[in-house]
Amino acid sequence: DTGVSQDPRHKITKRGQNVTFRCDPISEHNRLYWYRQTLGQGPEFLTYFQNEAQLEKSRLLSDRFSAERPKGSFSTLEIQRTEQGDSAMYLCASSLLVQETQYFGPGTRLLVL
Amino acid sequence: SQQGEEDPQALSIQEGENATMNCSYKTSINNLQWYRQNSGRGLVHLILIRSNEREKHSGRLRVTLDTSKKSSSLLITASRAADTASYFCAPVSGNTPLVFGKGTRLSVIA
Repeated sequence: DTGVSQDPRHKITKRGQNVTFRCDPISEHNRLYWYRQTLGQGPEFLTYFQNEAQLEKSRLLSDRFSAERPKGSFSTLEIQRTEQGDSAMYLCASSLLVQETQYFGPGTRLLVL
Repeated sequence: SQQGEEDPQALSIQEGENATMNCSYKTSINNLQWYRQNSGRGLVHLILIRSNEREKHSGRLRVTLDTSKKSSSLLITASRAADTASYFCAPVSGNTPLVFGKGTRLSVIA
């Protein structure tokens, strides 16, 4: 296994458009996390899954954001009606247990024009 | 989990010197993790130190944990230009996801 992968790596979109990002975790990891990171800041937690169940969502996550992990494997993060403030790096991570090491993907950099 | 506060916010050293960065937190923890992030990349896990451990080594990295002071330090010895990155600590408590602070930006000048 080559680690956590994310697709696309870069996305440029116009304000008001919808975007969807994909994350493929390490195969035996049942926990999957989404973070958002803006320049000069640390990653901010958005949401996480244990298998297919979404266990926690940050209050940062507006109604325009939705995440799924339909079969407990890959996950998607969709942002509807994008705004310029959504421009950020979106990071995905996976782990075996919630308290243990997280393995991060390379991120998807979103630019909303 | 709770957010750790890294200090200093930025650190600039010459290649070959040691770099020390600190992390403070507020409540008891199960473990504390350090991560590195190169510019524009994802985070890479460096070390996990459990609450019953006081010191841990990995290559040129040495991490200490003082639970009485609620603090941890990360020492990078004989730094290299490739160590230039942001470093984050993540104190872990309870069954909740990691929370990251702003990190320490380390610049190693060749």
